[in-house]
Amino acid sequence: QKEVEQDPGPLSVPEGAIVSLNCTYSNSAFQYFMWYRQYSRKGPELLMYTYSSGNKEDGRFTAQVDKSSKYISLFIRDSQPSDSATYLCAMSAVRSGNTPLVFGKGTRLSVIA
Amino acid sequence: DSGVTQTPKHLITATGQRVTLRCSPRSGDLSVYWYQQSLDQGLQFLIQYYNGEERAKGNILERFSAQQFPDLHSELNLSSLELGDSALYFCASSGNRGTEAFFGQGTRLTVV
Repeated sequence: QKEVEQDPGPLSVPEGAIVSLNCTYSNSAFQYFMWYRQYSRKGPELLMYTYSSGNKEDGRFTAQVDKSSKYISLFIRDSQPSDSATYLCAMSAVRSGNTPLVFGKGTRLSVIA
Repeated sequence: DSGVTQTPKHLITATGQRVTLRCSPRSGDLSVYWYQQSLDQGLQFLIQYYNGEERAKGNILERFSAQQFPDLHSELNLSSLELGDSALYFCASSGNRGTEAFFGQGTRLTVV
């Protein structure tokens, strides 16, 4: 079993839809969870960062963590064509910058105008 | 702009050759990570340096090596290149207090 599983998609939705992106993980030590957005041939860009369980909202984006189920989600409201990108989840067991993040393979999202 | 700078942006070279990719981390970040991303593949962690020392190793081939210099910039050396080494190579950095990593725009390597 891989440490982090993420459905690669592709996921295609109409403009204005609510998008749900998910990752599951197996390592119960993970406490820090991130979502990155990667446009084609560009570097991943940090979108959301959450610690432990709960929700965090930033504009149209909501990150949700359920540690009991080892499941994290990213919701995008009122999706726009500019949201078309690959979304990668990442996680870590420790806060310091001394260990590499564990990434999912990414979900490719297309928002159709 | 993440603050992480990678050069060159593009590199085309022949099989069997050797190349060096360069990364300047965000100001003050001590950790540098190198990742490889092939077409339609996820990010493959290669190696991490922390304040000049190797901290973690991932799926890095023996033909590849890296180092981090006293000014904290890092170089990834790829030798005896093969067609399959064609990929995007990303550098990321993180600070001592933060978990999140910040990525550069990558170097696109094409081996012909």
